Amino acid sequence: LAKTTQPISMDSYEGQEVNITCSHNNIATNDYITWYQQFPSQGPRFIIQGYKTKVTNEVASLFIPADRKSSTLSLPRVSLSDTAVYYCLVSYMEYGNKLVFGAGTILRVKS
Amino acid sequence: EPEVTQTPSHQVTQMGQEVILRCVPISNHLYFYWYRQILGQKVEFLVSFYNNEISEKSEIFDDQFSVERPDGSNFTLKIRSTKLEDSAMYFCASSARPGQGGTGELFFGEGSRLTVL
Repeated sequence: LAKTTQPISMDSYEGQEVNITCSHNNIATNDYITWYQQFPSQGPRFIIQGYKTKVTNEVASLFIPADRKSSTLSLPRVSLSDTAVYYCLVSYMEYGNKLVFGAGTILRVKS
Repeated sequence: EPEVTQTPSHQVTQMGQEVILRCVPISNHLYFYWYRQILGQKVEFLVSFYNNEISEKSEIFDDQFSVERPDGSNFTLKIRSTKLEDSAMYFCASSARPGQGGTGELFFGEGSRLTVL
C-alpha cells in the first residue's frame, strides 16, 4: 500500500479556500486517491475520489498532477462546520481489500 | 439517504465479558467492514467480509474477535473476553463494490463506543 503524508494540522478562517496537499510518492498505476472527512465521534465520510487531473463535486475539488505523486484537496469557502479531520487514502480496486487510514489533517476553521 | 446503522451507541462492560456489536449495512451493499478508533488515535482496519466469509483481517483481529452475518441484514462483531485496551469506537462500514479504487466508496456508521472497565 502506498504511504501517504499530509500535514498534521491546518488553520483557516471562514470564507477562505483551503487546500490540503497529500504526498504519495509510491502510488501504483492502479491506485486511486480518495479523501474522507471525520467529525469527532462520527464515522469517516467520503468526500471525493480521483485518478488523475481534476475532479469536482458539490463539496470539494481534487487536483492530481500528471505524475500522481501528490494530490490536493480543495475546499472552497470553508465554514466553521468544516472543522474536522481530513484523510487522504491511496488504494486500488481489489476484492475485499482494506482501506488504510493515516493520521489525517486536523482542519480548524475559525470565525 | 440510505445509511449504515449501529447498535448500541455506547456499551460499558466489565473486563472478561463478551460483547456483540451490531450493524445494519445499506441494503444492496455486498462488502462489509469493521474498523476501530481508540480515543485520539487513527482509524484502524479490523476485518472485511464478503460472500459470508472474511476477505481480509488485520493483526488486531485475533481469535478474540469474530464476525457474522446471521440473517442477511445484520453484520455483527463479537469480542470475547474483553480487555481494557479494547475500549474504542467501533465503526461498521459497507460498500456496494470493493472498498478500493475507483468504484468503491465506503459508507460508515456512527459507531459504537465500547468502554471496558
